[in-house]
Amino acid sequence: GAVVSQHPSRVICKSGTSVKIECRSLDFQATTMFWYRQFPKQSLMLMATSNEGSKATYEQGVEKDKFLINHASLTLSTLTVTSAHPEDSSFYICSARSTSGPYNEQFFGPGTRLTVL
Amino acid sequence: QQQVKQSPQSLIVQKGGISIINCAYENTAFDYFPWYQQFPGKGPALLIAIRPDVSEKKEGRFTISFNKSAKQFSLHIMDSQPGDSATYFCAASISGNTPLVFGKGTRLSVIA
Repeated sequence: GAVVSQHPSRVICKSGTSVKIECRSLDFQATTMFWYRQFPKQSLMLMATSNEGSKATYEQGVEKDKFLINHASLTLSTLTVTSAHPEDSSFYICSARSTSGPYNEQFFGPGTRLTVL
Repeated sequence: QQQVKQSPQSLIVQKGGISIINCAYENTAFDYFPWYQQFPGKGPALLIAIRPDVSEKKEGRFTISFNKSAKQFSLHIMDSQPGDSATYFCAASISGNTPLVFGKGTRLSVIA
């Protein structure tokens, strides 16, 4: 149980285009999902907290107009990187919080490798 | 300000040996401490987690030791195997309701 999927796993796009990444909790409902960014050999950097049916909460320094987050259902959150540029190239990982267990564990998706040319 | 300090940054262990990774936290409100394992190009996978009401939790070859007074917790991997070679992250949150605060990670290499 507690499976989180992400789609696509890898995307290459031209500078200036927008890219949408989907995060789904497959076997549990998640009122809260998180989006992280990870650079090579570094830790995960929290970008935003996504709550179902409400606006996302962005971490300091993350441009909310550039990284649009939508959490329209209890199993789906999307991250759209608008007008992507090469500096946005990174590994984007989502996680979903399960409230069925005693610890409200967070389960991570497999990640999406974004390369902007 | 880094709220969770993890050490060592990298670790090489012989097959069959014990791998030990340490973390220290500052925020005394933290009460949920998970460990994640990440392979290259993959998302982190939850390994084991602990709450402060116990000092130790064991699941298979993985054990978390927790020292509340010292604000430290550690991961022990017994009988380390080459397949355990990965990056390990400790994390902390408040009742699992706040975003996880991650350590910087430890790259473990288990050599035969």
